[in-house]
Amino acid sequence: GEDVEQSLFLSVREGDSSVINCTYTDSSSTYLYWYKQEPGAGLQLLTYIFSNMDMKQDQRLTVLLNKKDKHLSLRIADTQTGDSAIYFCAESMLDSNYQLIWGAGTKLIIKP
Amino acid sequence: NAGVTQTPKFRVLKTGQSMTLLCAQDMNHEYMYWYRQDPGMGLRLIHYSVGEGTTAKGEVPDGYNVSRLKKQNFLLGLESAAPSQTSVYFCASMPGTHHGYEQYFGPGTRLTVT
Repeated sequence: GEDVEQSLFLSVREGDSSVINCTYTDSSSTYLYWYKQEPGAGLQLLTYIFSNMDMKQDQRLTVLLNKKDKHLSLRIADTQTGDSAIYFCAESMLDSNYQLIWGAGTKLIIKP
Repeated sequence: NAGVTQTPKFRVLKTGQSMTLLCAQDMNHEYMYWYRQDPGMGLRLIHYSVGEGTTAKGEVPDGYNVSRLKKQNFLLGLESAAPSQTSVYFCASMPGTHHGYEQYFGPGTRLTVT
């Protein structure tokens, strides 16, 4: 069945780049998403990539997709304290009414 | 636009009690979803709806029922609450095919069953 895996924690120093990784198993994915959840809040879409792309850049965010290895990454340049949150990777499939399969989330911890 | 709203924000139930969680969206979205979030497990889909009057089961539907009588509202019911249903519940909506694939989330309802 479908499965999305992420590391549970990542610790980086303020100003460094953060790279959050995700692996998925279903090759029929159509979209892959990164959502951000701040404490006590709902999830907010950060960015997404269509499965026929291999890179997408949006200001400080870079998404890389390696379809062969089923690996997705989110790079946050110049990490700031406001980037502290849980980051969720998710995939959707065309033939499942666009249900999302979610990773468990990576908690990004910023060290001063 | 208020986006996606959920009521209540917090609730404590005793085992066996029932309750209904209300989700409302004012964006005219076709798709609506109910998830539960438990520590270390990400989000799990309970039920979803692809349009007014339709509902379908997700990954963990047991113990829950839903209704979508109006396009803007998606109700989640617990008929007989159990401690295993202690969780944070999120509602989300999505425009629908050909109109965008981003899910918009409500702020969540924290439910404790004692």
